[in-house]
Amino acid sequence: QVQLVQSGAEVKKPGASVKISCQASGYAFPAYYLHWVRQAPGQGLEWMGIINPSGGSATYAQTFQGRLTITRDTSTSTLYMELSSLRSDDTAVYFCARRDCIGSPCYFAYWGQGTLVTVSS
Amino acid sequence: AVQMTQSPSSLSASVGDRVTITCRASQDIRNDLGWYQQKQGKAPKLLIYAASTLHSGVPSRFSGSGSGTDFTLTISSLQPEDFATYYCLQDDNYPWTFGQGTRVEIK
Repeated sequence: QVQLVQSGAEVKKPGASVKISCQASGYAFPAYYLHWVRQAPGQGLEWMGIINPSGGSATYAQTFQGRLTITRDTSTSTLYMELSSLRSDDTAVYFCARRDCIGSPCYFAYWGQGTLVTVSS
Repeated sequence: AVQMTQSPSSLSASVGDRVTITCRASQDIRNDLGWYQQKQGKAPKLLIYAASTLHSGVPSRFSGSGSGTDFTLTISSLQPEDFATYYCLQDDNYPWTFGQGTRVEIK
């Protein structure tokens, strides 16, 4: 069965960087685009970016331009999200999610369990 | 970016009630909209995609409708396990954008 398993919680100081992982299994890794979504405490969901695991090209939300890097390692079927210049308002749970499409409509049927990143001095 | 305006932000309802949540897009997004349910501390779960298609395994009391800019999620008879927060998500163009969420609470 399809699984997305994320790395564990992180605590970082303001100005630092964090890199979290999402290991995929149960399907052909290059075949499905993968996204990152985050959720600050008590807040709603925020789309961050997407990567094509086959070619490696990524697109980012304007909010994160210059601070966010999404990469993948096809040899281990692992997705990565690195966020730099961390601020306190980057404290959030970060989710990876697989994009499934039937023609034009796409959706997230599979999600990772979430990784809490806490930014605190 | 497409703005998704979801309402209400919260509602109180009783078991057995019919519940309706709406999302309005700032521009035409065709039927490229999904609905997700999220419970505390968990990842969201897909309920509806393509505005009205029920995802596999989702109870038939959930339904979606709409196209263009106006969309609705309906729960025909609220069950105890349905108390959660619901989000719409437009996937018509990047950046994908979520509604602000609707928290469904027990009356």
